[in-house]
Amino acid sequence: GESVGLHLPTLSVQEGDNSIINCAYSNSASDYFIWYKQESGKGPQFIIDIRSNMDKRQGQRVTVLLNKTVKHLSLQIAATQPGDSAVYFCAENSGGSNYKLTFGKGTLLTVNP
Amino acid sequence: NAGVTQTPKFQVLKTGQSMTLQCAQDMNHEYMSWYRQDPGMGLRLIHYSVGAGITDQGEVPNGYNVSRSTTEDFPLRLLSAAPSQTSVYFCASTDTSGDVCFGPGTRLTVT
Repeated sequence: GESVGLHLPTLSVQEGDNSIINCAYSNSASDYFIWYKQESGKGPQFIIDIRSNMDKRQGQRVTVLLNKTVKHLSLQIAATQPGDSAVYFCAENSGGSNYKLTFGKGTLLTVNP
Repeated sequence: NAGVTQTPKFQVLKTGQSMTLQCAQDMNHEYMSWYRQDPGMGLRLIHYSVGAGITDQGEVPNGYNVSRSTTEDFPLRLLSAAPSQTSVYFCASTDTSGDVCFGPGTRLTVT
């Protein structure tokens, strides 16, 4: 079946650097994508989302880029802080149903002070 | 609002035992879902519900039953637990605008 996947399982950055986490998706029918942050022992926490009719969306210190041509999604975190250390997941809602999300495997981001 | 609550937080079962994982939300969301998360993996959809009295299967439904008798509650039942069901279980509710809220999770170990 179709799935969402990540290119890098781990990412280690220095505090203050920018971080980029990538995600590849294969379901061309997906019209909504979400990035989640998950800290140890907790549930996924919403970071930012983007609809398929957009190619960029910015939040506070985070930017999501969507390239539908190559089915690629990325999350950019500016001025990464130790509190950003977590596992980051991309998810898609194939067919527009947010209650049926397909998740990627996750990227572990470690921020070194 | 308490958001999405799940009980218990931790549970250990022996193979063959049954149990119910509880999930409740107080936001009047129509949609609710159950996911499982295995080590090093993303979440996978088990079952979901689009309203009271309506449930459907997700990606990995085998070994699990659900019911939705009220808008607030969406329990997940394991009829005969197996070691392969050792996982962390997350319940989520979704409002009509698409915002998803996850519960804190239940960590289940089946020996």
